[in-house]
Amino acid sequence: DAKTTQPNSMESNEEEPVHLPCNHSTISGTDYIHWYRQLPSQGPEYVIHGLTSNVNNRMASLAIAEDRKSSTLILHRATLRDAAVYYCIPSMNSGYSTLTFGKGTMLLVSP
Amino acid sequence: DAGITQSPRHKVTETGTPVTLRCHQTENHRYMYWYRQDPGHGLRLIHYSYGVKDTDKGEVSDGYSVSRSKTEDFLLTLESATSSQTSVYFCAISEIGLYGYTFGSGTRLTVV
Repeated sequence: DAKTTQPNSMESNEEEPVHLPCNHSTISGTDYIHWYRQLPSQGPEYVIHGLTSNVNNRMASLAIAEDRKSSTLILHRATLRDAAVYYCIPSMNSGYSTLTFGKGTMLLVSP
Repeated sequence: DAGITQSPRHKVTETGTPVTLRCHQTENHRYMYWYRQDPGHGLRLIHYSYGVKDTDKGEVSDGYSVSRSKTEDFLLTLESATSSQTSVYFCAISEIGLYGYTFGSGTRLTVV
């Protein structure tokens, strides 16, 4: 499994953009970059994933470096509900490959 | 999530007793997983299943067994609970062609 490096924590103010970085320099050529988040006292939830191109969905945007050794999850306008631990996970996009979670980044959002 | 439920939500048990946690899904997904989460460790995979009666070990499988006799149910059993198995246990489901895993709300198990 590819090793990932994420900041332990980040802080943001409500309604400001948030850029959550992840380094995955040992990612294999076939691994997608998945992002999950875990709100307090809940199970993780899927946020977004991508392979090479930048991706957008209703929750967030994912910017992937050209060499694929790093990526950034972008929350365009943080809300208090976005306070969570965010996990970056390189993995095959097969629908059945196991996910290996690191310690993630705890995002704190202030009003 | 509505498509996956874990039971019980909370349990306190004594050291040495058997414990079974249940994960039930209504999504008809083929793949099911059990993770545990401890402070400082993130989520770690215990066992997973790729079909009825088909299971395999994960990173931290010692002391745990699983069974899947029906598509919708994946059971995790601690044959003889130990204090080191005090944790929050999460079940997850996935399917080929669908994006993302869906996780349950977790079972908080305390072994005293």
